[in-house]
This record gives sequence, structure tokens and C-alpha cells, in this order.
Amino acid sequence: KAGVTQTPRYLIKTRGQQVTLSCSPISGHRSVSWYQQTPGQGLQFLFEYFSETQRNKGNFPGRFSGRQFSNSRSEMNVSTLELGDSALYLCASSSIAGTYEQYFGPGTRLTVT
Amino acid sequence: KNQVEQSPQSLIILEGKNCTLQCNYTVSPFSNLRWYKQDTGRGPVSLTIMTFSENTKSNGRYTATLDADTKQSSLHITASQLSDSASYICVVSIRNQFYFGTGTSLTVIP
Repeated sequence: KAGVTQTPRYLIKTRGQQVTLSCSPISGHRSVSWYQQTPGQGLQFLFEYFSETQRNKGNFPGRFSGRQFSNSRSEMNVSTLELGDSALYLCASSSIAGTYEQYFGPGTRLTVT
Repeated sequence: KNQVEQSPQSLIILEGKNCTLQCNYTVSPFSNLRWYKQDTGRGPVSLTIMTFSENTKSNGRYTATLDADTKQSSLHITASQLSDSASYICVVSIRNQFYFGTGTSLTVIP
């Protein structure tokens, strides 16, 4: 069974731009969660989607948004990028909501200049 | 405030030696506590998951323990290998909320 895939793996953007990251969960998994990881803050929860509905949201500004499609693939969008948005963005999938067992993708490394 | 703190922040050990990583938490009550291993440039991989009623869980050379009274967990690595060099992250969850430690960076040297 293929694992969680994320595209692109690396991305360089400039301040003020917007970016869309994509995540394809493990086949059959309906829950997708997004995390931001920085050296100083560690992993921080962004949001979780289950069956196309946002179930849970972390403490991030409205510039961070997401959605999930009927095939469970998910996208995350960050508008008006700031230098502090430079991070590794990780996606994790789970077969059930509440994410008892999460499987992480390799992440997208976003650099904002 | 719910917090998960890990120590040490970084650790260097010789190949073949044992080591223990610590995780102290204030999240209470919690659903489960997990340890993840994250290799550089990769996503975290689950090592162990424990519910509040379990006090030990093993996965090969990795053994996690949990003391719910003192709100402490430890991850013991036996006979370390070069491939154990990674960050180890402790995560405590309550239902749908996750609280992450900032991780311990382990370097195993020959």
C-alpha cells in the first residue's frame, strides 16, 4: 500500500505570495491532518479534515486554510506569505477521525524569501 | 496550560550504548501518548502508542514507559545503531487535540 505523498517536496516563494500544498493520504484513509514544523516551535497542529469537513483547527491565522476533496486528497493554502511561514509542512493520514494512528508524509519544505 | 516537555534537547552517544529520553507532560487526562522517530528530511514515524492504563510498550530495541502518577514517559533505546540518529518526539493527545514536545535530537557516533 502506498504511503502518504506530498507535493511539491520543496518550494521557494517570496513574501506576499500565496502557496498551495497537496497531500494524498493512504488509500482508504479519510482523515487528513496538517502540521507546521519549525526548529524553534516543533510540530504545531494546523487542522484536520475528515470526509471533506474540517473537524479540528489549531491556533493559526486565517491566512492558513485547507480543504479536502471527495477522494480524500487534501490541499493547504497559505496566502500573503510571511518570512515566518518558512517551515516543513507535514500531512498525516488516518483511517478514522480522531487520528489514533497517524501516518505522516515526507513533508513539503517551504522557504519564504 | 497543557505542555509536553522533552529532555535532553540533544544527545550524543556511542554506537552500541543504551540511552533514555524523557518526556514530562501536564496534559491530563489524556487519551494516549506516542513516541515518534523523525529522520532528517522525513516525516515522523510512530514507534509506540500507549493509553493511560499502559505502563510499558516495546517495539524492537525501543521501549517506552509511562508513569501516569508523575506524568512522565521515557523512551529507552537499547544497543544503539547509527540509524537511530534522528529526532524523537513525544506526543500526548486528548481526544482530537494533540500536544507535541519539541523533540530530542539523538546522534549516534561510531
